[in-house]
Amino acid sequence: EIVLTQSPATLSFSPGERATLSCRASHSASTFLNWYQQKPGQAPRLLIYDASNRATGIPARISGSGSGTDFTLTISSLEPEDFAVYYCNQRNSWPITFGQGTRLEIK
Amino acid sequence: EVQLLESGGGLVQPGGSLRLSCAASGFTFSSYAMSWVRQAPGKGLEWVSSISGSGGSTYYADSVKGRFTISRDNSQNTLYMEMNSLRAEDTAIYYCAKMCGGSCYRIDHWGQGTLVTVSS
Repeated sequence: EIVLTQSPATLSFSPGERATLSCRASHSASTFLNWYQQKPGQAPRLLIYDASNRATGIPARISGSGSGTDFTLTISSLEPEDFAVYYCNQRNSWPITFGQGTRLEIK
Repeated sequence: EVQLLESGGGLVQPGGSLRLSCAASGFTFSSYAMSWVRQAPGKGLEWVSSISGSGGSTYYADSVKGRFTISRDNSQNTLYMEMNSLRAEDTAIYYCAKMCGGSCYRIDHWGQGTLVTVSS
């Protein structure tokens, strides 16, 4: 099983700042790594798929990078709607796994 | 527009059974794998089970293997999850999820979820 570790658990930023979220895999996930955003009371939403591809409707300020075991989600200039919980997820091998999440909060 | 509408959640006693349904619309259902993902109260996301577009391949998390059964009716555009021998730790919101293709297992759309509570 590929264990995904997201760090840190919580990040605090002000709107307009740049945020970098990390996801580390215990074994190679190749580039089959996705990022999801979840707001309170809502279902998750796909942001980035296959490490670096933006999903439909996702703004260019959100980007992903990485391969193998180290992945990064970057939000270049935080907007108020970006404060949420972010999960990484791999589909390179069964079982599908998720990271434990990083909460992005307003400083 | 992709729509996934879950139903069947509720309160059940430990050891009991429940059947979840997910009515899908807005896409060619039989062409896409589907999954169930759950989220315990205040916790993160946990993949539960997936099924290929044809229904010929199924996959389960160890935590539910032997107790839960995923199935689909492509003529009715509906996904199911039969849950038996339910435990307190199965309490969660259960999300129905559409994958990226018939044998492609990236989640690209989520339903709003149905709450399952296992308690006496």
